[in-house]
Amino acid sequence: QSVLTQPPSVSGAPGQRVTISCTGSSSNIGAGYDVHWYLQLPGTAPKLLIYGNNNRPSGVPDRFSGSKSGTSASLAITGLQAEDEADYYCQSYDSSLSGSGIFGGGTKLTVL
Amino acid sequence: QVHLVQSGAEVKKPGASVKLSCKASGYIFTTYFMHWVRQAPGQGLEWMGVINPSGASTKYAQKFQGRVTMTRDTSTSTVYMELSSLRSEDTAMYYCVRDRSRGYSYGAFEYWGQGTLVTVSS
Repeated sequence: QSVLTQPPSVSGAPGQRVTISCTGSSSNIGAGYDVHWYLQLPGTAPKLLIYGNNNRPSGVPDRFSGSKSGTSASLAITGLQAEDEADYYCQSYDSSLSGSGIFGGGTKLTVL
Repeated sequence: QVHLVQSGAEVKKPGASVKLSCKASGYIFTTYFMHWVRQAPGQGLEWMGVINPSGASTKYAQKFQGRVTMTRDTSTSTVYMELSSLRSEDTAMYYCVRDRSRGYSYGAFEYWGQGTLVTVSS
């Protein structure tokens, strides 16, 4: 059971917009720790998608955006493409765990 | 550019220990914290701990306290992660991951090694 809660799966048709939520608590997201997002394709290492709640590393398309409010965060993907089909993870830190890193359980995005 | 090259796959028996390595290049080794993250087959990501390559201080996830040791060798820009008392549930891909923020251990996981598969089986 992950400290951060994500929906197990989301889906959308090509061109559509989808969002993935990441719900935490007052000891992690609500405590002010940044939220980061990763994309993982099958058989590969995860890749940083969003850092510091809403920043994209160079090379990440602006179709991907992040937001944070209170004890939750969200990843939005617009103009959905087939190659976006992957697993997505949110990540932060938790003060009740002495600043340990924490992940969401992951969300499988299916492009219909 | 930044590269993290991990050691090869390991097969261990229950109760044994395993020591994985992660050789860094392309940046000043002592200026960025290094984390270890693992992923069991078909499961999600799990943070194990972090090491400061500069002073060698460490922080471990509570789950692994007493079983994990992270060290570094600044002469070869290599970090190590040793996990003891292995059990079948430790079968996973283990990744070393460099923090994005210089001198800070609460940043994003920017650069990932290729992973080392550890299989624990009798």
